[in-house]
Amino acid sequence: GENVEQHPSTLSVQEGDSAVIKCTYSDSASNYFPWYKQELGKRPQLIIDIRSNVGEKKDQRIAVTLNKTAKHFSLHITETQPEDSAVYFCAARNYGGSQGNLIFGKGTKLSVKP
Amino acid sequence: DAGVIQSPRHEVTEMGQEVTLRCKPISGHNSLFWYRQTMMRGLELLIYFNNNVPIDDSGMPEDRFSAKMPNASFSTLKIQPSEPRDSAVYFCASSLGAGFNTGELFFGEGSRLTVL
Repeated sequence: GENVEQHPSTLSVQEGDSAVIKCTYSDSASNYFPWYKQELGKRPQLIIDIRSNVGEKKDQRIAVTLNKTAKHFSLHITETQPEDSAVYFCAARNYGGSQGNLIFGKGTKLSVKP
Repeated sequence: DAGVIQSPRHEVTEMGQEVTLRCKPISGHNSLFWYRQTMMRGLELLIYFNNNVPIDDSGMPEDRFSAKMPNASFSTLKIQPSEPRDSAVYFCASSLGAGFNTGELFFGEGSRLTVL
């Protein structure tokens, strides 16, 4: 089955700096890669996703890149703000066949210092 | 829509007791997922239903865990007997379909289980 590795597990940046979180996946058939943000005590919520037919996607201060050959994808947050502090999870999903489940990485705790 | 609704939000029980967690997915969603979250293991997929049918239950830890989805608007996750190592936050999530053009999982608020 799919295995998703996420690095780093913790990341601390100064407000205004950029943050990058990286993930690798094992199943070359995976074709959907979302990122979820989980604030303390809250539920995970989707912030951005990318599909295998796209190499990069941007939404304001966040962007995601995908390298299918290397089987890795990354989340980039620019001009970080204190409210970006949260745990971020990457995930991978294969819509083909009978497997539609979403496998998550272990998460990255991002702290943005004012 | 009220989103995915889970109950109870918090449960404290003693080892050996039966625990039942409940989930109401978003109306119209036909995929439902149960995840368990712990500090050590992160978000683990326990079981996934599509159109009320269990598709992948390989994440269910052992026979003490069982899940059902009797209809499109209700699912349960049962632990019997419960053990302290089952203490975690259990999330239910739903999504619309399982095809390539769908994807976003909507999570419930979670059920925080503490087994003493």
